[in-house]
Amino acid sequence: GQSLEQPSEVTAVEGAIVQINCTYQTSGFYGLSWYQQHDGGAPTFLSYNALDGLEETGRFSSFLSRSDSYGYLLLQELQMKDSASYFCAVRDRRMGRRALTFGSGTRLQVQP
Amino acid sequence: AAGVIQSPRHLIKEKRETATLKCYPIPRHDTVYWYQQGPGQDPQFLISFYEKMQSDKGSIPDRFSAQQFSDYHSELNMSSLELGDSALYFCASSAQTGGASYNEQFFGPGTRLTVL
Repeated sequence: GQSLEQPSEVTAVEGAIVQINCTYQTSGFYGLSWYQQHDGGAPTFLSYNALDGLEETGRFSSFLSRSDSYGYLLLQELQMKDSASYFCAVRDRRMGRRALTFGSGTRLQVQP
Repeated sequence: AAGVIQSPRHLIKEKRETATLKCYPIPRHDTVYWYQQGPGQDPQFLISFYEKMQSDKGSIPDRFSAQQFSDYHSELNMSSLELGDSALYFCASSAQTGGASYNEQFFGPGTRLTVL
């Protein structure tokens, strides 16, 4: 089957660094994506890793280890506006070639 | 830049009624997806269309159906509504461009459906 695990909540202070981990089990793996969602808002794409290693986009970085079925999202220089839910997601071959299966989400609270 | 458009943004229905949600994908995107997100939950994939043909099917109830029209807009039809159908319904679109490909899906603002 398909499953993704990530912590349910993380709290950090402004200016700090936080890492959100994601482990996955999948019947067909293309890559690991990360989405951000503010309360009441739409998921917004942050990053995608298909190969092992670190991808950096501004304050956000994402890492993937295919052999460990593990990835993480790293958020640096945290700002209040980063308070949101963060979802890891994979494409699930069981449901087709394009549909995304999301993890349960990690709620990040940034405190002053 | 153009984004995914969904209508209506809010919808209130009674049990056993029907509802139709509309989605207008980003121009030149070849794939449209529908997701359902309950309160405090992750988005659950319902169904998708590739070039106007049904592509993938997820956890879509038999009471729901969807289609994509010649102008690429899509509609999600929901019948015999139940209280448990109350959720945010997102439409997303994607295209086969760049390295992220179908992993980068662009979500609309969602339709909040409340079933009373």
